[in-house]
Amino acid sequence: KNEVEQSPQNLTAQEGEFITINCSYSVGISALHWLQQHPGGGIVSLFMLSSGKKKHGRLIATINIQEKHSSLHITASHPRDSAVYICAVSMNSGNTPLVFGKGTRLSVIA
Amino acid sequence: AAGVIQSPRHLIKEKRETATLKCYPIPRHDTVYWYQQGPGQDPQFLISFYEKMQSDKGSIPDRFSAQQFSDYHSELNMSSLELGDSALYFCASKRQVTYNEQFFGPGTRLTVL
Repeated sequence: KNEVEQSPQNLTAQEGEFITINCSYSVGISALHWLQQHPGGGIVSLFMLSSGKKKHGRLIATINIQEKHSSLHITASHPRDSAVYICAVSMNSGNTPLVFGKGTRLSVIA
Repeated sequence: AAGVIQSPRHLIKEKRETATLKCYPIPRHDTVYWYQQGPGQDPQFLISFYEKMQSDKGSIPDRFSAQQFSDYHSELNMSSLELGDSALYFCASKRQVTYNEQFFGPGTRLTVL
């Protein structure tokens, strides 16, 4: 069983829809990261969370440490949001390498 | 602001050849992580360095070696390349004393023919 589970694996949405991607993890963590990767492209860090909620533009990330769960929300989705969104966690020591989920492939259709 | 730099961005090699990938961390970052992402796969950790010493080792094949230099840049050396080594290799850097955030490079896409 992967230590980081994401759902859904694939998601297709109409432009303007509100999107939620979920991430659950099974181990103690010091931080959770939400990453974005466009097709054939490198990885961009969207958020790093250890508690609560963060917002950047149309993106919102939340984390519930007790439930070992995080969500990434995209409001007013746009075709340029189409990408793979990856949840990754830093284990307890904080300086350990990231453990990645398998990603959620999002397609936003105009 | 300066970001993590990787070179080359694309590399094509034949089987059994060698390749060297380079990662230049953000200034004042002392820790470098190397990850490998095969086609359609999630990234896998290979190896990391802190202050020029190896700090963690993941699923790095024995055919690969890496080091971090005095200017904190890191090189991943790959020998006897195999078709299965075709992947996106990206590095991330951070400052050990700061809280967790890793900054990612754009990656080097290696194709082995």
